[in-house]
This record gives sequence, structure tokens and C-alpha cells, in this order.
Amino acid sequence: NAGVTQTPKFQVLKTGQSMTLQCAQDMNHNSMYWYRQDPGMGLRLIYYSASEGTTDKGEVPNGYNVSRLNKREFSLRLESAAPSQTSVYFCASSTTGGWISNQPQHFGDGTRLSIL
Amino acid sequence: TQLLEQSPQFLSIQEGENLTVYCNSSSVFSSLQWYRQEPGEGPVLLVTVVTGGEVKKLKRLTFQFGDARKDSSLHITAAQTGDTGLYLCAGRGPWGKLQFGAGTQVVVTP
Repeated sequence: NAGVTQTPKFQVLKTGQSMTLQCAQDMNHNSMYWYRQDPGMGLRLIYYSASEGTTDKGEVPNGYNVSRLNKREFSLRLESAAPSQTSVYFCASSTTGGWISNQPQHFGDGTRLSIL
Repeated sequence: TQLLEQSPQFLSIQEGENLTVYCNSSSVFSSLQWYRQEPGEGPVLLVTVVTGGEVKKLKRLTFQFGDARKDSSLHITAAQTGDTGLYLCAGRGPWGKLQFGAGTQVVVTP
């Protein structure tokens, strides 16, 4: 069972470089999310997509952009990486209803990103 | 500002002991979820509680949602080494978004 797949698993960037984090789910979920996890901060929502064709900002969107490429894929782009963006990034998906339902969110295993 | 406060931040116990993790807020949540995260992996849902005062049991784990739907607790009876992990609570607020606590790291030693 693949579930939610994130690539790459690890990445080191220099300040100012750009990169795209990829996420794909094979559960036919409508809603997808990007979080960052920092020590002592828990998971903070960056962007989400309630359904294919829509995206909205979360709690910490500055410095990021997203693309809901199709129902399966939701990518996160850092246009000009900064050391403050060093974190572990998680992609998640849920069936339907986005924020209204009590559906569980299914998480990928994360991308560990270091920016020097 | 963390809307959900989890305590303690870290807990180390021996196998067979009991433990309780708390999740508190000044906000009311329509529901609350508990996740467990192991090193190098994403969080995995353990339970969702919806009704104030609700108690749910999952084998040795007991989850309680406060009557006012502002707090929750997770109690583990006779902990095992397999219970080691980061426990996260996540509340769904009136605006619908999921807010995560910072987590409680639980270490169970043989």
C-alpha cells in the first residue's frame, strides 16, 4: 500500500536556490495538505487543497507556492530558499469534506530539507 | 501562539507502567484527533473523539474528550516498548481547520 508518497526524502539547498517537493496519493482522496514540522512547534499548515482545482493558504504560507497538478498530485515550491525554511515537510491527504469532516489525514513519510 | 498545549513535552517510563498525556486549550473544538508518529515517518491517526465527555478505548489506550470540548487526555495502561513515539493531538476549530499540538515524546524502556 503506497498511500502518500513524497519525494525527495532528503535535500540540502543553498540559500536562494529553488526546489519543488513532490507529493502523490493513490487513495482517490479529494483533499491534500502541506505541513512543516519544527521542534517544539508541532505541525503547521502551509497550504491546502480542498479539492482538485483549488488551493488556499494555511497558517505559514509565506515563501511557498503550491500546485494541485491533478487529483493525485500536490506539489510545494520554494522559490528562493531561506535558512528559516529548514524543516521537515509533510504532505497529507483526506477523503472528502476537507475541513468540515472528521476524516483522518493520511501522511507521507516527510522530506527533510536543510538550507545552508 | 500554540492553540493546543500538550503536556508533558517528554515522558520516559519503564515497561509495565501507566502514563497519561494531556492536551489543553482555551478554545472549543468540534472534534479532536490523536496521532502517533514514529521516527522517520508521518503521523498515523489513533482515534477521533467528537462528543464532550466521550471516552474511547483502543486496547491499552484510553482517550477522553473533556465535557466542554476544550481538552483531552490519552492514558496508556501497562506501557510496552512498542508504545514509544511522538503523540500529537489535533483539534478541529469552529472555522474548520485542524490545529496540532507540539506533541509529547514518550519513551518506554524495557
